[in-house]
Amino acid sequence: NAGVTQTPKFQVLKTGQSMTLQCAQDMNHEYMSWYRQDPGMGLRLIHYSVGAGITDQGEVPNGYNVSRSTTEDFPLRLLSAAPSQTSVYFCASSPLKGSYNEQFFGPGTRLTVL
Amino acid sequence: AQSVTQPDIHITVSEGASLELRCNYSYGATPYLFWYVQSPGQGLQLLLKYFSGDTLVQGIKGFEAEFKRSQSSFNLRKPSVHWSDAAEYFCAVAPGGSYIPTFGRGTSLIVHP
Repeated sequence: NAGVTQTPKFQVLKTGQSMTLQCAQDMNHEYMSWYRQDPGMGLRLIHYSVGAGITDQGEVPNGYNVSRSTTEDFPLRLLSAAPSQTSVYFCASSPLKGSYNEQFFGPGTRLTVL
Repeated sequence: AQSVTQPDIHITVSEGASLELRCNYSYGATPYLFWYVQSPGQGLQLLLKYFSGDTLVQGIKGFEAEFKRSQSSFNLRKPSVHWSDAAEYFCAVAPGGSYIPTFGRGTSLIVHP
């Protein structure tokens, strides 16, 4: 199993550009989520999903959109990038049953917005 | 809502010395508790977890943690630190029945030779 994969690993955007961060998992996990990691702030939840067609907002959702059309994929869209969105983004997944909420993380995408 | 506090932003230890990283949580009932490790440039990896039962739990890489209900703490320990343990460590809490964990802000471990 590849686990949780994220692409790209690095990205540089100009202010106002849009892009999609990709996340995929091959463990058939129902729960998927996106976090951003900033120095001194830990991990902050952006959006999450408990299954295909079901998404909800986390702590810091503004400026981001998500959709979940399949169990495997959970892309994160930046609509109009801003310098405040410069961060490292992590995707995570977890089965809703049997794992007691253990999260499996991808390797991250480092995004810089100029 | 639950919260997690990691009081130490940085911890510096010498290789071979013992280690204790602190974690305090705020939640009414016994939550699910986790410690994750993040090596430089990597994602997070689960070290250990506590749900119920024995309050001393063993994890990977020689780490252990002790749940103390009276102190609302879940401190991570290792008897002898190796240089490869240098990383960021995150404590997380999730209420029983919830699938959304809350993470602490992390503690950066620096290991001196």
